[in-house]
Amino acid sequence: DSGVTQTPKHLITATGQRVTLRCSPRSGDLSVYWYQQSLDQGLQFLIQYYNGEERAKGNILERFSAQQFPDLHSELNLSSLELGDSALYFCASSAQQGWETQYFGPGTRLLVL
Amino acid sequence: AQKVTQAQTEISVVEKEDVTLDCVYETRDTTYYLFWYKQPPSGELVFLIRRNSFDEQNEISGRYSWNFQKSTSSFNFTITASQVVDSAVYFCALSEPGLTGGFKTIFGAGTRLFVKA
Repeated sequence: DSGVTQTPKHLITATGQRVTLRCSPRSGDLSVYWYQQSLDQGLQFLIQYYNGEERAKGNILERFSAQQFPDLHSELNLSSLELGDSALYFCASSAQQGWETQYFGPGTRLLVL
Repeated sequence: AQKVTQAQTEISVVEKEDVTLDCVYETRDTTYYLFWYKQPPSGELVFLIRRNSFDEQNEISGRYSWNFQKSTSSFNFTITASQVVDSAVYFCALSEPGLTGGFKTIFGAGTRLFVKA
């Protein structure tokens, strides 16, 4: 158990809908990262937040957004969902700004029908 | 630009064989970090090792060992006396600093290891 929690574990929704994925980092960790794992794209870095502020951005679509709250939990919002958004979404956390080890949550499996 | 190449898509070995998983990376930064993660069939990502660009010492942890060579931009992972429980997908990853203080991490495509009894 990495100490990172993600909810929900599974999510089934329809095209065009909007969903929110939630992540709680390990106790004391200030950075949260979001990744998407799909069969065709592999593991892709989406975005990093550090202590409430966006710090690094990867291949995140404009339909996706994230935020980190004062209690350091983070949410990833996916809107106007398409079939291709079906994937496993991982959240990871690290103690500081990113040079340390990232510990991954169990993931949220999203299926868009 | 960052790039991580794991040329071996799948490897199949028989239990007790040694196996080496290759990882080659590209980066323009002098400061960067390399990682290996294991993803067993259950799906979670398990951290195995982290190495910074200034530390080329090889590391051994039980049956696992890592060979970091900056001259060839490689960070290879060897499992000695493989076991069925080692069956998983193994990812090599590279983190380098971004422009706004954070770190971008790029993963290789992964190597699926099958260890047969």
